[in-house]
Amino acid sequence: DTAVSQTPKYLVTQMGNDKSIKCEQNLGHDTMYWYKQDSKKFLKIMFSYNNKELIINETVPNRFSPKSPDKAHLNLHINSLELGDSAVYFCASSQFGGGMGDEQFFGPGTRLTVL
Amino acid sequence: DQQVKQNSPSLSVQEGRISILNCDYTNSMFDYFLWYKKYPAEGPTFLISISSIKDKNEDGRFTVFLNKSAKHLSLHIVPSQPGDSAVYFCAARQGAQKLVFGQGTRLTINP
Repeated sequence: DTAVSQTPKYLVTQMGNDKSIKCEQNLGHDTMYWYKQDSKKFLKIMFSYNNKELIINETVPNRFSPKSPDKAHLNLHINSLELGDSAVYFCASSQFGGGMGDEQFFGPGTRLTVL
Repeated sequence: DQQVKQNSPSLSVQEGRISILNCDYTNSMFDYFLWYKKYPAEGPTFLISISSIKDKNEDGRFTVFLNKSAKHLSLHIVPSQPGDSAVYFCAARQGAQKLVFGQGTRLTINP
């Protein structure tokens, strides 16, 4: 009964490929997020969706496209993968759209390696 | 431009002693601060938070202190236990805006 789950856990692929990472939460939360943990270990937000609506879209290459088929799912599709895309990607969810007391719950992460 | 920084990548503490993890921020508009704990191969989990209207928040063995004038917060764990060994992330937010995370400090508790 994992609260926030991601698949796959590990993803190894060649440059130029297109890949997707799936995320699901069973907490009934309204907001979901994608974070990237880079080589310097900072966790940086990429996108957030509230009830399937895009709320935050940071400066991310348009090769990255989030898709939210319903409020329990937020998938991340990446086109034309590059070496610099190698990182750990975390999905998270929160009950509301942010603010005090609206803590985020994180998935276990997907380690993407681009060769 | 990193608005939240944890300048100690690692910290080693003896079991039973106090662990003090530090975090500095540059944005004076941040009004809510959080600490997350992360074990290997898992996602970060929420640990404790503090609003900018307070200077201290305590939850069991964990206490967070906020010094707004210095733009500094710290997490105290006392007494430290082996299960506390993890990476600790500091995070900050302005209103309902995005969470900004530091790069984490790896805490190791030695028996």
